Amino acid sequence: QKEVEQDPGPLSVPEGAIVSLNCTYSNSAFQYFMWYRQYSRKGPELLMYTYSSGNKEDGRFTAQVDKSSKYISLFIRDSQPSDSATYLCAPTANAGGTSYGKLTFGQGTILTVHP
Amino acid sequence: DVKVTQSSRYLVKRTGEKVFLECVQDMDHENMFWYRQDPGLGLRLIYFSYDVKMKEKGDIPEGYSVSREKKERFSLILESASTNQTSMYLCASSSLTENIQYFGAGTRLSVL
Repeated sequence: QKEVEQDPGPLSVPEGAIVSLNCTYSNSAFQYFMWYRQYSRKGPELLMYTYSSGNKEDGRFTAQVDKSSKYISLFIRDSQPSDSATYLCAPTANAGGTSYGKLTFGQGTILTVHP
Repeated sequence: DVKVTQSSRYLVKRTGEKVFLECVQDMDHENMFWYRQDPGLGLRLIYFSYDVKMKEKGDIPEGYSVSREKKERFSLILESASTNQTSMYLCASSSLTENIQYFGAGTRLSVL
């Protein structure tokens, strides 16, 4: 079993839809949860960063963590064509200072929002 | 803004050639990483470095080597390129105090 599993999609939705992107993980030590966004022909960039269980909201984006079920989600409200990208989850056990900064990435979900 | 710069966006090489991919970061980060990204396989870590002249193997180091002679520069070397090394290569860096990785734009390498 992979340490982080993410449905690669692709996922295609109409503009304005609510999008749910999900990952599961197996390592109970994971406490910090990142979502990266990667536009076509670009490198990934950090979108959101949460700690432990619960929700974190940033504009149209909400990151949700359920540590009891080892399940993390990213919700996008009122999705826009500009949200079309690959989204990668990256849970980690450490905020920094250990493990040489290594991250475990999900496979990435390709999202297309069409007008 | 953190900037991670990869020397080439696109490269085309022939089988057997020695290939150098260069990465430079301007944030004085201690950690640097090389990944390859393939459809359906996600990001796979090739090598990483946590200090000058220090290097550690990642998940798929075979066929690759790295060099870090200066803190800001991390090079990936394909000693004898093969067609199965055709891929997108991504460089990243992070500081000691937080695990957020900052990525370059990537180099799309084609080996013919």
